Amino acid sequence: AQRVTQPEKLLSVFKGAPVELKCNYSYSGSPELFWYVQYSRQRLQLLLRHISRESIKGFTADLNKGETSFHLKKPFAQEEDSAMYYCALNFGNEKLTFGTGTRLTIIP
Amino acid sequence: DTGVSQDPRHKITKRGQNVTFRCDPISEHNRLYWYRQTLGQGPEFLTYFQNEAQLEKSRLLSDRFSAERPKGSFSTLEIQRTEQGDSAMYLCASIDGGYNEQFFGPGTRLTVL
Repeated sequence: AQRVTQPEKLLSVFKGAPVELKCNYSYSGSPELFWYVQYSRQRLQLLLRHISRESIKGFTADLNKGETSFHLKKPFAQEEDSAMYYCALNFGNEKLTFGTGTRLTIIP
Repeated sequence: DTGVSQDPRHKITKRGQNVTFRCDPISEHNRLYWYRQTLGQGPEFLTYFQNEAQLEKSRLLSDRFSAERPKGSFSTLEIQRTEQGDSAMYLCASIDGGYNEQFFGPGTRLTVL
C-alpha cells in the first residue's frame, strides 16, 4: 500500500533562514509526487510536482528514489511562506494520498 | 469565480440525519474527486468520476455514503444516518483529461452532534 510520511507536524523558522520540509513515501509503483500548500483561509493548491522540476515561489523539491524522499526546500524563508504544507503521492489516475501535513511558521 | 465550488460550506446535523453536499467542478474538467479530511490529517481519497461514471470507491466509503455525477457536471455526496465519526471536511477536486493540476474546492465542513 502507498504511504506518505511527513515527520514534522510543526516547523518554525526565522525569516531569511533556510527551510526544509521532509516527506518520505512508500509505493511499489513509479512514484509521482506533489507538494500542496494551504494558506490561511484559502483552499488547497498545488505548489509543485516532481516531474516538472520547477521552482515555485523559491521552493524546490527533488525526488530521491534511493531514500524514497521528496523534501521541500527554500534557501531563504519569507513571512508569506507561513502555511500548511502537504506532500502527496499519485497512486494511479491522479488519486492522491496525502501526508498529515506540516504547519510552517516563519518568525519575523 | 471559475474555480471549483462546494455547497454548503458548513453543515451541522444531528446523528442519524441524512446530509447531501454538492460540488461544481471547473466546467471543462471531466474528472472529479471527493476527499475527506479529519482534524490533524491530510485529505483521504473517497471516490472519483470520469464524466458521469464512478470509476473507483475507497474502502473508506461505507454503504451509508453514495456519490453521483448524473450529467457529468456537478456531483453530490450523500451520507445517510450520519454518525459522529463522519464529522470532517469534505473536499472536492477536479482535473481535465490530460496530465494537469488537480484543483480543489473550499470544502464542506460537516459537524455531527
